[in-house]
Amino acid sequence: NAGVMQNPRHLVRRRGQEARLRCSPMKGHSHVYWYRQLPEEGLKFMVYLQKENIIDESGMPKERFSAEFPKEGPSILRIQQVVRGDSAAYFCASSPGQGFSPQHFGDGTRLSIL
Amino acid sequence: KQEVTQIPAALSVPEGENLVLNCSFTDSAIYNLQWFRQDPGKGLTSLLLIQSSQREQTSGRLNASLDKSSGRSTLYIAASQPGDSATYLCAVLATGTASKLTFGTGTRLQVTL
Repeated sequence: NAGVMQNPRHLVRRRGQEARLRCSPMKGHSHVYWYRQLPEEGLKFMVYLQKENIIDESGMPKERFSAEFPKEGPSILRIQQVVRGDSAAYFCASSPGQGFSPQHFGDGTRLSIL
Repeated sequence: KQEVTQIPAALSVPEGENLVLNCSFTDSAIYNLQWFRQDPGKGLTSLLLIQSSQREQTSGRLNASLDKSSGRSTLYIAASQPGDSATYLCAVLATGTASKLTFGTGTRLQVTL
């Protein structure tokens, strides 16, 4: 009974490179959420997706960040031209239904920018 | 805009003590409130979820209460153990969003031998 799977667990990038973070939801879950945890801060919502649709991206930075959840395969959070301030833990959560179903979290991807 | 505050930010207690963690939120229009545990370098483990119509939920040594009108929740941990050492986060799901959880910054708990 696999939980939410995120990979890689740790990712190191140099400034200006691209970072791709992957999230496979729990079996039977079709709703995916991405959150970011900056050092010494709480988790902040970024984006909510269903298969092939972005439902709520109110927490996404306007530039360089994008997310997708294709019909087949994992959800991808993509950060272009990374900067030092992107260093954070990025968590993915999934739920079987709309947002008021409990969200189950993965172990996160720790992104470090050199 | 919903804001969630957790007090205290850090807590150290000897093993066996009962303790209370506090969470307050500014907007009482919520669907539910969830308590999570986060271990260092790990993800979040859901402990308890309280629907807005409920007053409390219990799981083993944990009891969470919700007073929606006053914007407060408490997590009570009975007979604490060193294995309870972790950061505890509360998060609310506001009505009208049905998606994004708003998290507090957590209480870092250490249970000593």
